[in-house]
Amino acid sequence: EAGVTQSPTHLIKTRGQQATLRCSPISGHTSVYWYQQALGLGLQFLLWYDEGEERNRGNFPPRFSGRQFPNYSSELNVNALELEDSALYLCASSSQQGTDLFFGPGTRLTVL
Amino acid sequence: AQSVTQLGSHVSVSEGALVLLRCNYSSSVPPYLFWYVQYPNQGLQLLLKYTSAATLVKGINGFEAEFKKSETSFHLTKPSAHMSDAAEYFCAVSDGGSYIPTFGRGTSLIVHP
Repeated sequence: EAGVTQSPTHLIKTRGQQATLRCSPISGHTSVYWYQQALGLGLQFLLWYDEGEERNRGNFPPRFSGRQFPNYSSELNVNALELEDSALYLCASSSQQGTDLFFGPGTRLTVL
Repeated sequence: AQSVTQLGSHVSVSEGALVLLRCNYSSSVPPYLFWYVQYPNQGLQLLLKYTSAATLVKGINGFEAEFKKSETSFHLTKPSAHMSDAAEYFCAVSDGGSYIPTFGRGTSLIVHP
């Protein structure tokens, strides 16, 4: 069974640009979670999508947004990139609310 | 609100020695508690979880953790460290409301030969 996949592996952008990160959950999983892992800060919760709807949002500005598609894959968009957005962005999926999260390998975003 | 504190950003042990990684949590309701491991350039892998069943939880790779309500702790242990255990370890807590895990800042385990 394929795990959670994320693309691209690495992404380099400059300040002010927009970044789009993609995530494909494990087959059969309907929930997708996005976390930001910045150096020394652990994982910070960004967004939770379930059945195509945004269910919860972490303490991040509105320029962090996303969506979930009918096939349950998800996209994270970061607008007006700032230097401090440089981080590893992790996607996780679960089969339903309250069950284990399975993480992908992450997308390393570097903002120059 | 829930939160997790992991004591020590780095823990260094010799191969064969006891591993002890500390985690304290706060939660307004009985929590679900997790330990995840992250190897270099990889995502997180679930080691073990506590969900109000047995207080001593056994996980993969010989790790175990004990839930102590009175101490609000969920420390991770392994009797004998192996070089392959070198990784970043994250403790996480979720409550029965959102089920969204809140993570600690992580502890880097260094294993010396």
